[in-house]
Amino acid sequence: QTVVTQEPAFSVSPGGTVTLTCGLNSGSVSTNYYPSWYQQTPGQTPRTLIYNTNTRSSGVPDRFSGSILGDKAALIITGAQADDESVYYCVLYMGSDIWVFGGGTKLTVL
Amino acid sequence: EVQLVESGGGLVQPGGSLRLSCSASGFIFSSYGMIWVRQAPGKGLEYVSAVRNNGASTYYADSVKGRFTISRDNSKNTVSLQLNSLRGEDTAVYYCVKWGTYYGMDVWGQGTTVTVSS
Repeated sequence: QTVVTQEPAFSVSPGGTVTLTCGLNSGSVSTNYYPSWYQQTPGQTPRTLIYNTNTRSSGVPDRFSGSILGDKAALIITGAQADDESVYYCVLYMGSDIWVFGGGTKLTVL
Repeated sequence: EVQLVESGGGLVQPGGSLRLSCSASGFIFSSYGMIWVRQAPGKGLEYVSAVRNNGASTYYADSVKGRFTISRDNSKNTVSLQLNSLRGEDTAVYYCVKWGTYYGMDVWGQGTTVTVSS
């Protein structure tokens, strides 16, 4: 069974930089998995941040960026702000029109 | 403006059925695949099902295979999800999502809540 792994929780200071990662229980994440990232604040609909590894969705500020770091996909937030406090989900495309979500990382800004 | 509006959620008994609908506007509906994603209370997001733009190909997560059926009507810009043999673990907010470029999910509806309980 494919499991997409994310850190359960992370904290960052206001103005700081944080890197959230997205891995696979059975190998390395590459661009071939078209990693994408979504932000969800409590009670709200998910918001698309990044798709195709590093392409920002419309309206997403450039302090959000995506990449492959080593064997994982990464979401980098620079200059963290209070309203970045959210749960961030990674999704990998597994082929055959199947996607697998990670469990989400709860980011605290304090 | 691209918009997705779900409907059809509600309270249903275990073993019952429900049909969710998603009405799309603001884009050429017949050019895009559509996806259903759900979120159980207090839990993370889970892929449920997808249908390609022409409706000819459909895909399901193992957890719903054989019980849920996705379909679309390109003449009415709607995508539907038929939920049968419902279980308590199907209780969730169900989101309709537009399948974007490069296998991203680029637009989300507000969600419709399904509660399975006796």
